[in-house]
Amino acid sequence: EDKVVQSPLSLVVHEGDTVTLNCSYEVTNFRSLLWYKQEKKAPTFLFMLTSSGIEKKSGRLSSILDKKELFSILNITATQTGDSAVYLCAVWGVNYGGSQGNLIFGKGTKLSVKP
Amino acid sequence: GAGVSQSPSNKVTEKGKDVELRCDPISGHTALYWYRQRLGQGLEFLIYFQGNSAPDKSGLPSDRFSAERTGESVSTLTIQRTQQEDSAVYLCASSPLTGQQGAGYGYTFGSGTRLTVV
Repeated sequence: EDKVVQSPLSLVVHEGDTVTLNCSYEVTNFRSLLWYKQEKKAPTFLFMLTSSGIEKKSGRLSSILDKKELFSILNITATQTGDSAVYLCAVWGVNYGGSQGNLIFGKGTKLSVKP
Repeated sequence: GAGVSQSPSNKVTEKGKDVELRCDPISGHTALYWYRQRLGQGLEFLIYFQGNSAPDKSGLPSDRFSAERTGESVSTLTIQRTQQEDSAVYLCASSPLTGQQGAGYGYTFGSGTRLTVV
């Protein structure tokens, strides 16, 4: 069964700390891995990764994929209170029963950044 | 509109009643997805529409769940004879891309409908 596992499930840090969020996956016919930030209800897109070893970077956030070991990490440096959110990892796999496949989401990591 | 619009934002219903949730995708987006998010859980895929193709219903949890979409416009998710385990946030997402190119890239999510079955 396809699955995406994120760790830790929750994390509390102080402003200025650096955090690393983990995502491991087992998905049939892997296509891509995505990270989303969910603050209230609507997840917002952060990164899409398709190739191993190539770091994607946006400001203080960065992410990398290892397709051999089937995991990805999301790093946030110099954390701010505005980084407090649930970070979702999702993997695109081809669903044998479906026409185009769909995203399979992990349970998310709840990050709380204290001032 | 500028984003994906969902209504209602909150819905409280009695067990056994039917509910209808609405999603207005971004104009021109051919792909539309419905996801369910239970408290403390990740997003669970329900159904996917792509243009006029037959929808991918493989994620619907039971025959009490159904969804419709006419062309590339509004979609409605209907839950019949609601049960307490249906309580969740129902999220809709749309994308201008399809197939492998659309593999999650360019999803825009709506703010969701929080459904509470009492």
